[in-house]
Amino acid sequence: NAGVTQTPKFQVLKTGQSMTLQCAQDMNHNSMYWYRQDPGMGLRLIYYSASEGTTDKGEVPNGYNVSRLNKREFSLRLESAAPSQTSVYFCASSGLLSNIQYFGAGTRLSVL
Amino acid sequence: EDKVVQSPLSLVVHEGDTVTLNCSYEVTNFRSLLWYKQEKKAPTFLFMLTSSGIEKKSGRLSSILDKKELFSILNITATQTGDSAVYLCAAPNFGNEKLTFGTGTRLTIIP
Repeated sequence: NAGVTQTPKFQVLKTGQSMTLQCAQDMNHNSMYWYRQDPGMGLRLIYYSASEGTTDKGEVPNGYNVSRLNKREFSLRLESAAPSQTSVYFCASSGLLSNIQYFGAGTRLSVL
Repeated sequence: EDKVVQSPLSLVVHEGDTVTLNCSYEVTNFRSLLWYKQEKKAPTFLFMLTSSGIEKKSGRLSSILDKKELFSILNITATQTGDSAVYLCAAPNFGNEKLTFGTGTRLTIIP
């Protein structure tokens, strides 16, 4: 049972480039989340999706877009990467009426 | 706005010591509090606490919630180097599934 799978694990971008971070879960969870984690800042929610077909902004959505492709997959897109988006990105999912979120292994992104 | 505050920010102890990590919260319509352990990669779930005064235990780790004073503690006894990690606590927001996380306590165990 893979749980939550994120790709890629590492990425280096130049300022202005675009990229999509992929996330898939095999736990039949309804809700999915994208976080960024920076030193001293803890986990901050970028976007979340409470169910297939819905997405909502979190605490730090600027510069990002998301797509809930189906129940399993939730992608995060950076249209024009900026150095301030250098961070570790985590995807998570949770089941219906459960507050326990399960996390992927993370994507370490550097924007030069 | 919901708030979760952890202390201390970092802690260094020797193997075999007992440690207590703190988490205080201010959350509208409190439902539960969660503890996670984060080593080098993903946070992994430890405990979810919903009732005051009832200890949850897993091996050398235990946690308890005080809903009157709005805090929780995570205890680790007989610490081992494998306990070195960042420990995060989080509380669900009212009306949705979002979690508000504290900034974490970085625990380092010296052999």
